[in-house]
Amino acid sequence: DVKVTQSSRYLVKRTGEKVFLECVQDMDHENMFWYRQDPGLGLRLIYFSYDVKMKEKGDIPEGYSVSREKKERFSLILESASTNQTSMYLCASRPSSYEQYFGPGTRLTVT
Amino acid sequence: GEDVEQSLFLSVREGDSSVINCTYTDSSSTYLYWYKQEPGAGLQLLTYIFSNMDMKQDQRLTVLLNKKDKHLSLRIADTQTGDSAIYFCAFELTDSWGKFQFGAGTQVVVTP
Repeated sequence: DVKVTQSSRYLVKRTGEKVFLECVQDMDHENMFWYRQDPGLGLRLIYFSYDVKMKEKGDIPEGYSVSREKKERFSLILESASTNQTSMYLCASRPSSYEQYFGPGTRLTVT
Repeated sequence: GEDVEQSLFLSVREGDSSVINCTYTDSSSTYLYWYKQEPGAGLQLLTYIFSNMDMKQDQRLTVLLNKKDKHLSLRIADTQTGDSAIYFCAFELTDSWGKFQFGAGTQVVVTP
């Protein structure tokens, strides 16, 4: 069974902290994605990776970076968290075909 | 880029049909998708349609694509309480593999 896991369901951080969100998939997929989900805005792509150590910017990369050292793991990094980064963060993975598989999400609150 | 619009809320009675609509601006999409998000969960792919198709049926789900009007719809027949969720349409552009544009999502509430 397909599985994408995210390290935390809920996270509370302070402004200025460095935040790591981890995503792991067990399907040997080449492609992994990070989105943020905000009410009324749907999902917006932050970054994606199509191979180990490869990354591409999505629509809203500002304030974020990513790391993919191993195929199964894709990390999203907030170098200095700000209150406008309070959101639901969703990770997804995808083989070369059409379907994306999503994790359950991490609800991040920055105070 | 793609602008994608969905109505934000739909209320439907159990047993009735639901129709969720989506409009878009760019016509160069290859795949068009419908995702479902239940409370506290990630998104789950419901169905998809190729841009060269007009209709696709999958059990209780019917997808209609009107390329002329740039309109995509999802019909759920015999709507059940378990269909209460947020539904997203999404587009993958032909020349930007991996880059999806999502609508804002339609909250569907099924009442007994």
